[in-house]
Formats: sequence, structure tokens, C-alpha cells
Amino acid sequence: DAKTTQPPSMDCAEGRAANLPCNHSTISGNEYVYWYRQIHSQGPQYIIHGLKNNETNEMASLIITEDRKSSTLILPHATLRDTAVYYCIVRGLNNNDMRFGAGTRLTVKP
Amino acid sequence: NAGVTQTPKFQVLKTGQSMTLQCAQDMNHEYMSWYRQDPGMGLRLIHYSVGAGITDQGEVPNGYNVSRSTTEDFPLRLLSAAPSQTSVYFCASSYSSPGPSSYNSPLHFGNGTRLTVT
Repeated sequence: DAKTTQPPSMDCAEGRAANLPCNHSTISGNEYVYWYRQIHSQGPQYIIHGLKNNETNEMASLIITEDRKSSTLILPHATLRDTAVYYCIVRGLNNNDMRFGAGTRLTVKP
Repeated sequence: NAGVTQTPKFQVLKTGQSMTLQCAQDMNHEYMSWYRQDPGMGLRLIHYSVGAGITDQGEVPNGYNVSRSTTEDFPLRLLSAAPSQTSVYFCASSYSSPGPSSYNSPLHFGNGTRLTVT
């Protein structure tokens, strides 16, 4: 079973920030939080990951709470091309630890 | 640099037929894996490999075989297809750091093979 809980769907207006929450209350101290997205039946695409600290790259920012029990993925200026299913995943050192849940279906609207 | 290439893109099989889904990567990644995705669900791990000659089972291995004779290729074999194996199959690869506490980098996925078994 997936170790994370995400809302099944969210909407966001184009140009606004999209904030996608994830709960991972049973996360262990050596486990990372990863985010992937899947655009309409393509292969999933890696977005960002973090252990304790907040992280930012060219695609998104990841905010992890101090107790590490939840996190938020932020797409700062959502575009129509960001419409996708977003997966929040907890894993250790290895990819075979990953368990995909149902994710959050983000719809960016004009 | 093609990344992860999966062939074929689409396949229709009759129950009991066999086939091999091909996966190749050109990034010299040690780690490779196969997932299946059913409608409305996330991906489930079928088999994975941490290097040439080494394979292991994931969550849903029954009905599937794999081998890893080279770093580049990781084929998935269905020996006797069943309707329950109708799904979209994704192959993925990643870098693995050396040593006993090997860390896998994020996965690179192929674009999938859509398989229908009638």
C-alpha cells in the first residue's frame, strides 16, 4: 500500500500557483519524499524530491513540514501543460521501495 | 540520447499467446524496472534489476518473467497471456551509486506499451 495520502483532484487557474498537499504521517527518518507526474498516459516524469529541507528546482518547489509528516508541491505559475496526475511517494534508498498511489489529478483551467 | 525506449507501443494478444515487451536504455543505468498501470490506478512494480545478471520480484510478479543479460536491455516476457494482463506497461531506469548502501537516483520512464489480451 502507498504510504501517502493525497486529494483525488484539484483545480487551479492558469498563471496561479498550484499547491498540492500530501500526507505521509508514517514516514521514517531515512525516507525521502518524491514527486512525479503523469501527463495523459505518458510515462511518469520526475519532478522533485527532498529529505528534510525545502527544495526548489526549475519545475517546482517542495515544502516539507518540520515533523516531516506532510509536504506540499508548489508549481509557481501553473500552465495548461501542467494538467496531469501528480504522485507523492515516500521511499528509502532504492526505487523498488516506491509505491504509487492514485495521485492527485490537477486540472489547470484558462 | 533516446532515454528509455519501449517497443511495441501497442499489442493485442489472444489468451495463451506469449510475447516479449522490449525495453532499452542508453544512459548506462544499473537499475531497471517494469511497472503495470491499470485504469484509475497508480503503477505497480512487476520486476526489477539492480544490474546485469541480477533480477528480483516486485509487488505483482506472477505471470511475468524477466532477464538482464546486458546493462542496456530489460525485456519482460509473458509466457501465456491472460485477460487479467491487459494493462499499460512502463519500463524505467535509474542510476545506482556503488557500494552496500546504494542510492538510486530518480526514475526515467519510457512511454509505455498498451497491451490488450482477448
